[in-house]
This record gives sequence, structure tokens and C-alpha cells, in this order.
Amino acid sequence: GENVEQHPSTLSVQEGDSAVIKCTYSDSASNYFPWYKQELGKRPQLIIDIRSNVGEKKDQRIAVTLNKTAKHFSLHITETQPEDSAVYFCAASLEGNNLFFGTGTRLTVIP
Amino acid sequence: GAVVSQHPSWVICKSGTSVKIECRSLDFQATTMFWYRQFPKQSLMLMATSNEGSKATYEQGVEKDKFLINHASLTLSTLTVTSAHPEDSSFYICSAPSTYEQYFGPGTRLTVT
Repeated sequence: GENVEQHPSTLSVQEGDSAVIKCTYSDSASNYFPWYKQELGKRPQLIIDIRSNVGEKKDQRIAVTLNKTAKHFSLHITETQPEDSAVYFCAASLEGNNLFFGTGTRLTVIP
Repeated sequence: GAVVSQHPSWVICKSGTSVKIECRSLDFQATTMFWYRQFPKQSLMLMATSNEGSKATYEQGVEKDKFLINHASLTLSTLTVTSAHPEDSSFYICSAPSTYEQYFGPGTRLTVT
């Protein structure tokens, strides 16, 4: 089955700096790669996703890149703000099927 | 966007009792729903896939006789934790796939004392 690895497990950045979180996956059949932000005790919140027919996608301060050949994808957050502090999960799936999650990254933005 | 509800949001039960958690898709039909479990400071792990009108598919290591899943309609899946033990204490989250993304329920915090 699919195996998703995520790095780093913790990340601290100064407010205004950029944050980058990286994930790799193992199953070349996976074609849907979402990123979630999760606050304590709450459901994961989709912040951006990318499908395998696209190499990069951007939404304001958030961008995701996908390299299908290398089987890795990354989340980029620019101009970080304290409210970006949370746990972020990457995931991979064959679209419509269950998600395989990475191990999570705790992002702390220092004011 | 689509809405998935989950009930209860939290529950405390005594060891040995059973607890039922409901997951509903409120504005779309879901022939498939997924049940995940999340222990503190860990990731979400798939427990089982709930299929409307047929048996659930369980992931390796998940006891099907302990975690009973019923998907009786296109909008409702239930997870029953039978003979709960303290090690079953966790955050249980369901999700349902729709056309563009997976929609998650708000989760159920189960504490077994």
C-alpha cells in the first residue's frame, strides 16, 4: 500500500519568513495530494490540494509543488503569520479512495 | 461545500461498555465513508472503509468484531466500539469522498475510564 513520509516533524519560523514542508509517497498510482491544517481537537482542514496532472498550484500565500517522477510534493507558506501555527499533514491517495497521511509537522510562527 | 456531521462530539464511557458513533453526510450521498483514528500527537490512521449495503473493509490490525461498522443508508455510517478499554481512547474521525475532495466529520473524542 501507500506510504507517505513527511519532514520536518517540527518547524519554527519567524513571522514573515517562509515555511516549507516536504512529503514523499511510494505508490505511483496515487493522483491526489491534499494538505491539511489541523488545530487541536478539530477536524483536518483542507488548505490546498494538487492533482497529478499539475506540477504546481498557488493560492495566495500557500503553494504546493508536485514532482511525480521523484514522488515528492511540498507545501510552501510565504509571509507566515502567527495564526499559521498548527499541525500540517500531507496526504496521498487515488482520488476518491481513502487518504494516506504523513506523520505531521508542527509549525510554530514566532511573532 | 459538503457537510459531514458526527455525533457525539465527545463521550466518556466505562471500560467494558459499548459506544456508538454516527457519521452523516448532510447534503450529499456517500456510498463510501472512511473511519480514521488519531491518537494524541499522531497522524490519522485509516481503520476501515464503510460501504453502503455491504460489509466494511478493515485495515490490518483492526479487529472487525471490536469495531463494528454499519452503513445502512447513503447518508449514514456508524462505528460501534464494543467492550471498550482505556487503550481505545482516541479521536475518531469519519470522512466521505465527494467529487472534488474528502469531507471530514468534526470528530469524536472517546475517553474510556
